[in-house]
Amino acid sequence: DTEVTQTPKHLVMGMTNKKSLKCEQHMGHRAMYWYKQKAKKPPELMFVYSYEKLSINESVPSRFSPECPNSSLLNLHLHALQPEDSALYLCASSHPTSGASTDTQYFGPGTRLTVL
Amino acid sequence: AQTVTQSQPEMSVQEAETVTLSCTYDTSESNYYLFWYKQPPSRQMILVIRQEAYKQQNATENRFSVNFQKAAKSFSLKISDSQLGDTAMYFCAFMKIQGAQKLVFGQGTRLTINP
Repeated sequence: DTEVTQTPKHLVMGMTNKKSLKCEQHMGHRAMYWYKQKAKKPPELMFVYSYEKLSINESVPSRFSPECPNSSLLNLHLHALQPEDSALYLCASSHPTSGASTDTQYFGPGTRLTVL
Repeated sequence: AQTVTQSQPEMSVQEAETVTLSCTYDTSESNYYLFWYKQPPSRQMILVIRQEAYKQQNATENRFSVNFQKAAKSFSLKISDSQLGDTAMYFCAFMKIQGAQKLVFGQGTRLTINP
């Protein structure tokens, strides 16, 4: 089973709201990722968690706050977002084959975020 | 730094035809993975095929096959007997095997299969 689930599918929020995106996988993967994708563009990496520790932060603004409570769950907390943050947010997971190496990333269906 | 280039922004073919999507990349790494992902209008990014750079044999998955030319840094995707469900954006992607767990994507090719 190569399923990654994401909730909610759609989210509309105001600039003063606080909301969270959730991602879950049950494939035993120990690396999880958040990507941001604007229309007609490739995904852009935001964060990587490896063995529940943040390993990569691609200079993402602090209004995006990731959290990995356990090996199956990945959250993205949103606060004081701007309209330009409207995008598709994709979660992915992969199975580190050994040490620092990684394997294929499997993606969830995404959350379509609109910031008003 | 690695870069991935997809030179065909859009392609369109008739159902049942064969189509080839181009991808070139630039890297100084000797060990890496290359991927093709498809993203249909439903938005889900789906793995189509994967190639390990250390394998000389080209990867195949049913109607999908690649032509991997390591020296030329070329990684094209061939879709045989194309189907309406193949309509999607196709992204070529590169990833180092060791170190940073980063997928480097090309800009994508929008493929339309016409009935």
